[in-house]
Amino acid sequence: QVKLVESGGGVVQPGRSLRLSCEASGFTFSVYAMHWVRQAPGKGLEWVAVTSFDESKKDYAEPVKGRFTISRDNSKNTLYLQMNSLRVEDTAVYYCAKEGTMMVELPFDAWGQGTLVTVSS
Amino acid sequence: DIQMTQSPSSLSASVGDRVTITCRASQSITSYLNWYQQKPGKAPKLMIYGASSLYSGVPSRFSGSGSGTDFTLTISSLQREDFATYYCQQTYSIPRTFGQGTTVEFK
Repeated sequence: QVKLVESGGGVVQPGRSLRLSCEASGFTFSVYAMHWVRQAPGKGLEWVAVTSFDESKKDYAEPVKGRFTISRDNSKNTLYLQMNSLRVEDTAVYYCAKEGTMMVELPFDAWGQGTLVTVSS
Repeated sequence: DIQMTQSPSSLSASVGDRVTITCRASQSITSYLNWYQQKPGKAPKLMIYGASSLYSGVPSRFSGSGSGTDFTLTISSLQREDFATYYCQQTYSIPRTFGQGTTVEFK
């Protein structure tokens, strides 16, 4: 079955960097677009970034543009999120999500369990 | 950016009740509207896609309707396992925005 497992979260000081990973299994990772979505404590869902299956197209939410970089290694079935210049407001659980490319509306049909990033001095 | 507004923010209901949640987009998104369920400490789960298509494995008591800017999620007979927070999401354009969520609480 489809499985997404995030890792790399932790406590980091403002201004520092962190790299999240999302290991995929149970599906052909290399043909699907993938997203990162975050959720601040007690808050709603916020879309962060997307990469196409071949990294030819990437997009970012305005709050993270220029600081975060999404990437993938299809040979390792792994999605990444490089987060630089972290701010307190980046504190959240970060989820990776698979895009349901078989559906025209491209919903997120599988999610990881999330990894918590806490930015604090 | 397309803004998604859900109402109500929370509601109290009992097992067996019919529950309706509304989602409004700031501009037309045709049928590019999805609904997710999230329980505390868990990842969201896809329930409805394309405004009205039931995702695989989702009970038939869940249904969605609407097009353009106004959408509805209905639970025909609320079950204990349905108490959760529900989010709408538009996938018409980037950024893929979510509504603020509607929490269905036990009355």
